[in-house]
Amino acid sequence: GIQVEQSPPDLILQEGANSTLRCNFSDSVNNLQWFHQNPWGQLINLFYIPSGTKQNGRLSATTVATERYSLLYISSSQTTDSGVYFCAVEQGTGGFKTIFGAGTRLFVKA
Amino acid sequence: NAGVTQTPKFRILKIGQSMTLQCTQDMNHNYMYWYRQDPGMGLKLIYYSVGAGITDKGEVPNGYNVSRSTTEDFPLRLELAAPSQTSVYFCASSYPHRTSGISPAYYYEQYFGPGTRLTVT
Repeated sequence: GIQVEQSPPDLILQEGANSTLRCNFSDSVNNLQWFHQNPWGQLINLFYIPSGTKQNGRLSATTVATERYSLLYISSSQTTDSGVYFCAVEQGTGGFKTIFGAGTRLFVKA
Repeated sequence: NAGVTQTPKFRILKIGQSMTLQCTQDMNHNYMYWYRQDPGMGLKLIYYSVGAGITDKGEVPNGYNVSRSTTEDFPLRLELAAPSQTSVYFCASSYPHRTSGISPAYYYEQYFGPGTRLTVT
């Protein structure tokens, strides 16, 4: 099956710093999403981005489907950005069988 | 809307016991999912459902059963609990969004419940 690899596995930032998280996938996908899991465990959908670039405030994401990777940019990081960021892909078109990466654990220091 | 709710929040089971994890959504979503998240790992799909009466296996279905008698509810049943089932369980639901553009497609934004932390000892 498809493999989803995220890097780095862990990241510590000083508040205000910028960062780039990467997601590589081993096969073509129809859907790619980025999620944030906060320190209390709640999962929030950040972006649906099978290709192209999207921005939402301090966060933006770019997926280059032909090269099988996606990047999540966090600018001017805040302590509330701490948590785990997951990339998840879907190969089919039915809206199910989503495969998650292992995540990038981010800690933003005040 | 309450969104996706799960009960209980925490549970400790003895080996061999059974239990049902409850999941309810009030968004009228057709699609529902059960995932498990082991420590330091991503989520793995256990079962999913595309509508009432229709369920199918995900990546890791062994040791679990599901049913979907209504649109709102998607309970997950653990029979004969084992230590390997110690995990955090998440329920999610989704509906299709239609993209814009010349060749529109559908994508499914998943909404997650708060999770159930299960320990089997």
